[in-house]
Amino acid sequence: ETGVTQTPRHLVMGMTNKKSLKCEQHLGHNAMYWYKQSAKKPLELMFVYNFKEQTENNSVPSRFSPECPNSSHLFLHLHTLQPEDSALYLCASSQTDTSSYEQYFGPGTRLTVT
Amino acid sequence: QQQVKQSPQSLIVQKGGISIINCAYENTAFDYFPWYQQFPGKGPALLIAIRPDVSEKKEGRFTISFNKSAKQFSLHIMDSQPGDSATYFCAAGWGGGFKTIFGAGTRLFVKA
Repeated sequence: ETGVTQTPRHLVMGMTNKKSLKCEQHLGHNAMYWYKQSAKKPLELMFVYNFKEQTENNSVPSRFSPECPNSSHLFLHLHTLQPEDSALYLCASSQTDTSSYEQYFGPGTRLTVT
Repeated sequence: QQQVKQSPQSLIVQKGGISIINCAYENTAFDYFPWYQQFPGKGPALLIAIRPDVSEKKEGRFTISFNKSAKQFSLHIMDSQPGDSATYFCAAGWGGGFKTIFGAGTRLFVKA
């Protein structure tokens, strides 16, 4: 596996379910990110982790709970979601101690909340 | 203000033509201005990026023009091809790379 992988690619869940999204980066980067991508809206940064320490939480509702056990893995735990949470959830990674701020994105998880 | 305004929302260009997408920002703390390209079913991928001390950067058919005084930057795609049909996002970064905000995206369609 290369780059940034995400599983599952598609997820349908009811509002009372609990599920988790998984992201893994094989690039040796120190930072990992969760973004939400909704139709016709800018990508919304949700969480940022630097060397597995959370450095940013952009006022995300508590029904989204991130976990970063090490620099290569990132999870997004979901519970009691709302239909408006349906979106594409993108994971990204970057190496921040360089002159480039390039972020490498995974293919995303398409989440539908019913 | 932590915003990047992108226009147009959608763009249709004839094959061989020039595609132009514009972005504007307000926060002078931004120090990195990338453009990302996203195909359906894929995550965004970096296309080209510029720092504010440079007014233009060219990579192949893709050029960023940067106007620091106007706080505007644009992406020009020369000789547009059907394979360029995708969604393009401008963005602005700061905070040592940990913070990036994205424009709303432009859906480009290149007619064969």
